[in-house]
Amino acid sequence: EAGVTQFPSHSVIEKGQTVTLRCDPISGHDNLYWYRRVMGKEIKFLLHFVKESKQDESGMPNNRFLAERTGGTYSTLKVQPAELEDSGVYFCASSQTTSGTQYFGPGTRLLVL
Amino acid sequence: TQLLEQSPQFLSIQEGENLTVYCNSSSVFSSLQWYRQEPGEGPVLLVTVVTGGEVKKLKRLTFQFGDARKDSSLHITAAQPGDTGLYLCAGDGNGNNRLAFGKGNQVVVIP
Repeated sequence: EAGVTQFPSHSVIEKGQTVTLRCDPISGHDNLYWYRRVMGKEIKFLLHFVKESKQDESGMPNNRFLAERTGGTYSTLKVQPAELEDSGVYFCASSQTTSGTQYFGPGTRLLVL
Repeated sequence: TQLLEQSPQFLSIQEGENLTVYCNSSSVFSSLQWYRQEPGEGPVLLVTVVTGGEVKKLKRLTFQFGDARKDSSLHITAAQPGDTGLYLCAGDGNGNNRLAFGKGNQVVVIP
């Protein structure tokens, strides 16, 4: 069974540009989460999808971040326009149930110059 | 905000030695998880503890959840180079599966 996959693995962009990160959860997992680790800080929750609906988006930093999960399968996280402080590692996780074990992807390393 | 403090931040030991790392909080958690993360990869779940005072063993790793469900420890017996990695604790405070992470314990086992 394939695990959670994320694309791209790395992205280097300039301040003001747009970047879109993609996450493919484990097949059959209705719950999808986005987390972020900024350098020197802990991994922090961004948002949680149940199928295509946003269950909890209280961790989203600001309105420059837009997450979607059309069709309830893969999810995208768009940052527009990117700022320097958006640099970090963006992790996606999925779980079968809302209280179930979260399986993490390898992360996307974003560097905004 | 539920904060998890992990200590020590960095630990380097010789192969065969024992080590203990800690995860402490002022908040109560319904469950607490330990993950291990290696460079370029995402966190991989090692164990979930739910009951206060619970002890779980995974080969040479022993995990303990505090009686008050605010803290946890991870003890590694006879550490091996393959135990090298970043150990992360994460808590689910409200049962909503929104995990709060600590910064991690970076463990290096020298052959």
